Amino acid sequence: ETGVTQTPRHLVMGMTNKKSLKCEQHLGHNAMYWYKQSAKKPLELMFVYNFKEQTENNSVPSRFSPECPNSSHLFLHLHTLQPEDSALYLCASSQVGGSGANVLTFGAGSRLTVL
Amino acid sequence: DQQVKQNSPSLSVQEGRISILNCDYTNSMFDYFLWYKKYPAEGPTFLISISSIKDKNEDGRFTVFLNKSAKHLSLHIVPSQPGDSAVYFCAASGIGAGSQGNLIFGKGTKLSVKP
Repeated sequence: ETGVTQTPRHLVMGMTNKKSLKCEQHLGHNAMYWYKQSAKKPLELMFVYNFKEQTENNSVPSRFSPECPNSSHLFLHLHTLQPEDSALYLCASSQVGGSGANVLTFGAGSRLTVL
Repeated sequence: DQQVKQNSPSLSVQEGRISILNCDYTNSMFDYFLWYKKYPAEGPTFLISISSIKDKNEDGRFTVFLNKSAKHLSLHIVPSQPGDSAVYFCAASGIGAGSQGNLIFGKGTKLSVKP
């Protein structure tokens, strides 16, 4: 496996379900991110982890719970979601701390539908 | 309020001609600007970046121009090819984007290159 892999690629869940999205990066990066892409909206930053420590929580509702057990893995735990949470959830990683632009490498995304 | 704006949701160009994608921003503290390309069912992939201390960066068929006084940047693709058909996202980073290296994205412009 190379790059950033996300599973599952598609997920349908009811509002009372509990599910998790998984992300794994094989690039040796030290930062990982969750972004949300809704129709006709910009990519919205949700969470940032630098060196496994959460450095950003962009006012995300508590029904979304991130977990970063190590610098290669990132989870997004989902609980009692709403239909408006249906979106494409993108994971990304990057190497922060150096010079130059912070280039994020994205996974293919997990398409979530909440019924 | 959006800090990075792509006001054209779509653009159609003939193969071989130039494609010009535009992006405006509001925060003069951004230090890097990036362009990403996204195909359906894939994550965004990095295309090209520019530092705020430069006004032009070129990579093959892709050139990004930055006009700091106007808070405007553009991506030129020449010659355009059908394989360039994708959604293009403009992004910015720096003070005002949150923690180190966070990217703020625009809504994207869908480019269609017709044979």
